[in-house]
This record gives sequence, C-alpha cells and structure tokens, in this order.
Amino acid sequence: DAGVIQSPRHEVTEMGQEVTLRCKPISGHNSLFWYRQTMMRGLELLIYFNNNVPIDDSGMPEDRFSAKMPNASFSTLKIQPSEPRDSAVYFCASSLGALSLPRDNTGELFFGEGSRLTVL
Amino acid sequence: AQKITQTQPGMFVQEKEAVTLDCTYDTSDQSYGLFWYKQPSSGEMIFLIYQGSYDEQNATEGRYSLNFQKARKSANLVISASQLGDSAMYFCAMREGQSGKYGNKLVFGAGTILRVKS
Repeated sequence: DAGVIQSPRHEVTEMGQEVTLRCKPISGHNSLFWYRQTMMRGLELLIYFNNNVPIDDSGMPEDRFSAKMPNASFSTLKIQPSEPRDSAVYFCASSLGALSLPRDNTGELFFGEGSRLTVL
Repeated sequence: AQKITQTQPGMFVQEKEAVTLDCTYDTSDQSYGLFWYKQPSSGEMIFLIYQGSYDEQNATEGRYSLNFQKARKSANLVISASQLGDSAMYFCAMREGQSGKYGNKLVFGAGTILRVKS
C-alpha cells in the first residue's frame, strides 16, 4: 500500500522565492497534518485538516505560510516569500480521524518522508 | 507549560541490554492517547507503540513496551535487548481528548537520541 507521498524531497531556493510543498495522504484517511521539524523547535504542528477543512492553523508561523486541501487526496503548503529561517524539514502526515476512528484503532499518524527545505 | 517532556537529550546503551526512555505529559483531559515514534538518521517517522489513557495494561509491541504510570503522568518507553539498529531519535507524543474532540493532532516532545554501542 502506498504511504503518504510528499514532494519535493529536497528543495533549495533563494530568499524571496515562492516554495510549494505537496502531499498525497493515504487513501481513506480523512485527517491531514503539516508539521515542521527544526533543531531549535523540534516538531511543530503547523496546520491540520479534517475532511478537507482546516481545523486548526494556529501553528502557522505567519501570513507568508498558507495551506490548502482542495480534495481528499492532495494538499499543499506554500511559503511566499521564503526566508532563511524557514529552512526545515516539513512533514505531512495523515490518519483516520475524528469520528471515523474505530474503537480498536489508535489513530496513529502516518508520516511522509518529509521535504527538506533550504532557503539561502 | 510543556505538554510532553522528555528530559534525556541523549542516551547510550550497550547492545543486548534494556533501556528506558523517559516521557512525562501534562493534560487535564481524562481521555488521551500516548504514542512513541522512532526517527532514524534517514529521517522518516516510524510509529512504535500506543497507550490509551483507559488501557489498564501496559502496551507491548515486540521488544517495545510502555511503562504507563497514570498517576505520575509518565509513559516511559522500554526497549529490551537493544540492537544497533535501534540507534535513532525517539519521540513521545500525546493526543488530547477523545478522538473527535480535538481531532487527532499529536503534540510531540523534544526527543531523545539513543545510541546503541557494540
């Protein structure tokens, strides 16, 4: 079975450029999460969606960051304009969420391999 | 206040010995879930084990077990018979509330780097 698919795996860009990260969740999962991992701040939740609707975007650092989920099989995280401090690994994760969770299901998050972003 | 606290930035263990990685959590919810993930140097996040707040027995998955002490709000991971391949970063995480109340979002601790020595 295909897991969570993220692209690109690596992105090197210059400050001021627009960056778009993409994610395809596991088929059938209805919750999608964007996390950012840095040495200084660890794993931070940026935003998560349930049934394609953003539920909590309180972790989005500022207006330069935006995320969309136009359908159940695709999400994007956009940074415009990018800054060096945005350099991090960005993870997308999906799960069976909310009321879809069977009693014996842990609701674990399945992570993609991450997108490593370097902003020069 | 930190939701998840992992006080050990790094740990060493001799191959074939057991090791305990500490995790304490903070929540006022009665229903919650606790998770451990492994992140090897390759970077992927691998789910290891889960403990529900109402589970009466400690969770076990192969060489992994979770020492759940609810009154102390601790959920330590025990790895038995350590192997060289266990060298990785280990994260403790919590989902607050019943699934559906806040969704399934997880809050992660800072992680513990484990190095297994041969």
